[in-house]
Amino acid sequence: GAGVSQSPSNKVTEKGKDVELRCDPISGHTALYWYRQRLGQGLEFLIYFQGNSAPDKSGLPSDRFSAERTGESVSTLTIQRTQQEDSAVYLCASSPQLAGGVTDTQYFGPGTRLTVL
Amino acid sequence: GQNIDQPTEMTATEGAIVQINCTYQTSGFNGLFWYQQHAGEAPTFLSYNVLDGLEEKGRFSSFLSRSKGYSYLLLKELQMKDSASYLCAVPGNYGQNFVFGPGTRLSVLP
Repeated sequence: GAGVSQSPSNKVTEKGKDVELRCDPISGHTALYWYRQRLGQGLEFLIYFQGNSAPDKSGLPSDRFSAERTGESVSTLTIQRTQQEDSAVYLCASSPQLAGGVTDTQYFGPGTRLTVL
Repeated sequence: GQNIDQPTEMTATEGAIVQINCTYQTSGFNGLFWYQQHAGEAPTFLSYNVLDGLEEKGRFSSFLSRSKGYSYLLLKELQMKDSASYLCAVPGNYGQNFVFGPGTRLSVLP
């Protein structure tokens, strides 16, 4: 497909379990972002990948959260020992990232709705 | 750091015009984005302003004043389908730490 895809679309887990969320960016997009959106709230930046540079992890809320991306391909967001407050929609976005550091439009995936019981 | 403020909710009537304001504070400026997000869906791009002035795109226009740290989104000839949240966002240098405002939930009434 031409857009950003995420899987699973929905995930229900028990408190204390680990979960892994996947994002497939648009082919050729060098920049990839993860956001968290709680019900009725705005987007909360989590982490940013740009090519092979070190990721910007400044938005990760705790050390239970981690993310990986190999090159300019798939990214996974892992939440260890999930807590009820982790329940949210996790959105991934990719961007072509223009030369000179100019930010380009982000294209969002449909999100993964995580529910921690 | 970056900080963005928007009204939480607005209501308008079908066919009317509505202006959604956004004020921001940022240590550097790399443009300002507006996104639309329908309930239960992902945000979609509406506009990008990097220079002062008004950018018109059909029924939607976006305005920017860098000196005032202010932007607005203008929606004309409102339709019921325009009921959504409108998100104002500013990126950091090289895109990291992209900050979204809380969003303005617009309800269009018949």
